[in-house]
Amino acid sequence: GAGVSQSPSNKVTEKGKDVELRCDPISGHTALYWYRQSLGQGLEFLIYFQGNSAPDKSGLPSDRFSAERTGGSVSTLTIQRTQQEDSAVYLCASTNKERAGLRYGYTFGSGTRLTVV
Amino acid sequence: AQRVTQPEKLLSVFKGAPVELKCNYSYSGSPELFWYVQYSRQRLQLLLRHISRESIKGFTADLNKGETSFHLKKPFAQEEDSAMYYCALLQGAQKLVFGQGTRLTINP
Repeated sequence: GAGVSQSPSNKVTEKGKDVELRCDPISGHTALYWYRQSLGQGLEFLIYFQGNSAPDKSGLPSDRFSAERTGGSVSTLTIQRTQQEDSAVYLCASTNKERAGLRYGYTFGSGTRLTVV
Repeated sequence: AQRVTQPEKLLSVFKGAPVELKCNYSYSGSPELFWYVQYSRQRLQLLLRHISRESIKGFTADLNKGETSFHLKKPFAQEEDSAMYYCALLQGAQKLVFGQGTRLTINP
């Protein structure tokens, strides 16, 4: 696609429920990143995909968080048994690392605002 | 540890005044640094990168290795510069590490 697409744009869920957040990167971008944006915490790195594998998942806060990427394209971030502290904006970004795109920055999606009540 | 620090969460200046958003980093190698900006109701987007030595929208940022800083500057602030600004460091050629961000408000 023309840009990084994320869905849903907003999600309100009850504490304890599972949620899935979707990211559709720019076509041909091999690297995909998930970040969490919250007040006072800035942008926290969660996980990075190169193709379908995740060389760095060091930022996932707990084992309730998981992510996968299929076909080298769409990625899904899943949060199980959501807690109120999971409330944040979840941002996805992609870049074409093969063209040293990372040195030129990421293209971000518009994010999913997650509210856990 | 590789880290980016933006000491000011909020910065408010008057239109026409100079602006400086501070960014300090810790990195053992040769750093590659970026500034990102997020305007109200818009996506986070790249503003400038130090390797390009460019000026975007009147903003410049110089890498000072001695002070481990990459401050963002603009000589005359405009109201449309009001936004959230993030400094970022490329870590291990794999990912960007971001600071906590500075919310800049330009008063008329």
